[in-house]
Amino acid sequence: TQLLEQSPQFLSIQEGENLTVYCNSSSVFSSLQWYRQEPGEGPVLLVTVVTGGEVKKLKRLTFQFGDARKDSSLHITAAQPGDTGLYLCAGGPTDSWGKLQFGAGTQVVVTP
Amino acid sequence: ETGVTQTPRHLVMGMTNKKSLKCEQHLGHNAMYWYKQSAKKPLELMFVYSLEERVENNSVPSRFSPECPNSSHLFLHLHTLQPEDSALYLCASSQDPAVESNQPQHFGDGTRLSIL
Repeated sequence: TQLLEQSPQFLSIQEGENLTVYCNSSSVFSSLQWYRQEPGEGPVLLVTVVTGGEVKKLKRLTFQFGDARKDSSLHITAAQPGDTGLYLCAGGPTDSWGKLQFGAGTQVVVTP
Repeated sequence: ETGVTQTPRHLVMGMTNKKSLKCEQHLGHNAMYWYKQSAKKPLELMFVYSLEERVENNSVPSRFSPECPNSSHLFLHLHTLQPEDSALYLCASSQDPAVESNQPQHFGDGTRLSIL
């Protein structure tokens, strides 16, 4: 079983601050997806990274896939209250058919 | 509008009741999934259907019974549930994952299930 550990579990910051959340595993993944889930809603895909060392930017969000494709990070610059949510990472398998392995998520709260 | 609609949004039932959760996707996808989400735990994959055939069953108790009559609809029939089954049940869809395992999944907003 490929396990994904996300850290921290909970993060509370003020509007305008920066934050980084991490997604780590001892296993290699074919890809890494990041989702955000807001209260009362399902997860929504933010980005998919597939190449070791890849960096993708989505406005104030920067996603990085580790060189060895075992870990990833999400950095948010100048956080806003709208960034509040549960951030989930999900690893694409290298030896299984179509299954994503999800982490438990990082709950981010951005206060005005 | 997520393209994946789940009903009901909330469900409270006793342990002896029978109920069904419904999921409908309007995205033209041919793979559908049921997940269980409990607080502070990773999403647990329960069932996967591709082209209306079940391709994954992750040792889910038989009190959960899925049904996929066509590629747009997915049901989860519930019978004699236990209190520990209380959770958010999420439905998702994607293009056939066998073609490319990195397919993104599109989730519904879930059914919040409470077992009394």
